[in-house]
Amino acid sequence: QKEVEQDPGPLSVPEGAIVSLNCTYSNSAFQYFMWYRQYSRKGPELLMYTYSSGNKEDGRFTAQVDKSSKYISLFIRDSQPSDSATYLCAMSGTGNQFYFGTGTSLTVIP
Amino acid sequence: GAVVSQHPSRVICKSGTSVKIECRSLDFQATTMFWYRQFPKQSLMLMATSNEGSKATYEQGVEKDKFLINHASLTLSTLTVTSAHPEDSSFYICSASPPVGAATEAFFGQGTRLTVV
Repeated sequence: QKEVEQDPGPLSVPEGAIVSLNCTYSNSAFQYFMWYRQYSRKGPELLMYTYSSGNKEDGRFTAQVDKSSKYISLFIRDSQPSDSATYLCAMSGTGNQFYFGTGTSLTVIP
Repeated sequence: GAVVSQHPSRVICKSGTSVKIECRSLDFQATTMFWYRQFPKQSLMLMATSNEGSKATYEQGVEKDKFLINHASLTLSTLTVTSAHPEDSSFYICSASPPVGAATEAFFGQGTRLTVV
């Protein structure tokens, strides 16, 4: 079983839609949860960072962590064509090693 | 946020030659940096952990003699792909985390697209 599971998509939505991206994980020691956005041929950029369970909101983006279910989500409201990218979830425990999902490819259609 | 700079962004080399990729943390000291490889439509695969002043730790299946890592200072790690072959063509990305307490977010370089012809 992989440490982190993420549906690779692709996901295609119309502009303005609410997008829900999800990851599940198996290691209960994970405490730090991140979402990265990666445009084609670029390095990943950090979108959201959450410690332990709960919600975090930043503009149109909301990250949710449910440690009891080992499930994390990223919601994008009022999606824009510029949101079209691959979204990677990542998580870590007390060490510095990060475990990544496979990434979900999102296309927002104008 | 913190900045990690990676150079070059793309390189084309002939089969059998060596290529060096640099990863610099611009505004923080990183005792540990990470090197990843990414194939098209796949996630990041950790290749090795680069430790300043000591030998790198390689993941299973990664040839340490082929992928030489040098972490000579607290702001610079280099990955050298030796005797490159077409199957080494890939996107290589480094990351580093500021040394603040326990694990924090990782910051990534821009990535290097290596094409071996």
